[in-house]
Order: sequence, then C-alpha cells, then structure tokens
Amino acid sequence: KAGVTQTPRYLIKTRGQQVTLSCSPISGHRSVSWYQQTPGQGLQFLFEYFSETQRNKGNFPGRFSGRQFSNSRSEMNVSTLELGDSALYLCASSLVGLSSYNEQFFGPGTRLTVL
Amino acid sequence: GENVEQHPSTLSVQEGDSAVIKCTYSDSASNYFPWYKQELGKRPQLIIDIRSNVGEKKDQRIAVTLNKTAKHFSLHITETQPEDSAVYFCAASIGTDSWGKLQFGAGTQVVVTP
Repeated sequence: KAGVTQTPRYLIKTRGQQVTLSCSPISGHRSVSWYQQTPGQGLQFLFEYFSETQRNKGNFPGRFSGRQFSNSRSEMNVSTLELGDSALYLCASSLVGLSSYNEQFFGPGTRLTVL
Repeated sequence: GENVEQHPSTLSVQEGDSAVIKCTYSDSASNYFPWYKQELGKRPQLIIDIRSNVGEKKDQRIAVTLNKTAKHFSLHITETQPEDSAVYFCAASIGTDSWGKLQFGAGTQVVVTP
C-alpha cells in the first residue's frame, strides 16, 4: 500500500501571498490531520478532517484553513502569509481517527519558506 | 490547558546501553499515547503506542510504560544501536472526542555513539 503523500515537497513564497498544500492519505484511510512543525514550537495540531467535515481544530488563526474531498484527499490553505508561517507542514492519515484507536501515519511534509 | 512535557531534551548513550525518555500529560481524558521517531529530513514514524487500558507494551528492543494515575508514560530502548539516533516524540490524544488530535512533546534528540 502506498504511504501518505504530500505535494509540493518544497515551496517558497513571499509575505502576503497565499498557499495551498495537498495531502493524499493511505488508501482506505478517511481521517486526515494536519500539523505544523517548527524548531521553536515543535509539532502543533492544526485541524482534522473526516468525511469532508472538520471534526477538530487547533489554536491557529483563521488564516489557516482546510478542506477534504470525497476521495479523502485534503488540502490546507494559508492566506496572507507571515514570516512565522515558515515551517514543515505534515499531514497524517488514519482509518477513522483516534477515537477508534487507529494509528496516524505521517506524510513526508511540505517545507514552506516565507520570505 | 492541554500540555505534554518531555524529558530529557537531549540524550547521549553508548551503543549497547539503554535509553529512557519520559513524558507527562495534563489531560485526564487522554487515552492514546504514541511514540514517533523522526530522523533528520524525514517524516515522523510511529514506533510504538499504548492505550489507556494497558500498563506496558513491548516490541523487541522498545517498550513503553503508562501510569495513568500519575499521568506519565515512558519509552525504553534497550541495547541501543547507532541507527537508533534520531529525535523521538511522545504524544497524547486530547479530549474525549480527540479524533485525530495529538498533543506532542517537544522531542528528545537521542545520539548513540559507537
């Protein structure tokens, strides 16, 4: 089975721009979670989607948004980019989410650099 | 609030020795505790996890223990090898309806010297 994939792998943007990142979960997985990883803040939860619905959300500003499609693929969008948004953005998929005790598997991440 | 503390932040061990990483959590509703290993430039990889109804779990050289009363859990690596060198993260599910939300510790950089 193919693992979680993310595109693009690297992205360079300037302040004020917006960006869209994509995540394809493992086949059959219906839950997709997004995390931001930075050296200073570590891994922080952004949001989780299941069956095209956002079920859980972390403490990030409204500039961070996401969605999930009927095939479980997910996208996240960051608008009005700030320098502090530079990070590795990781998505993770699981069968139906932690409440059903299913493990999360991470994608390789998208490295976003904001100049 | 929701918080997972992880210690130590760095750990140097001689090959063959054991390594122990400890984490504490604050949310009483947490019921799932995974551990991830992240090598430089790579994705976090799940190495072991434990549920709240279990006190200990072992997989070859890796073991995890959970003390729900004290709200702490630990990762034990025995007979360490150079390929065990990586950053290790503990995590805890948050809330009763945690659906895919994990709170991560800050990570432990483990260096195994031959």
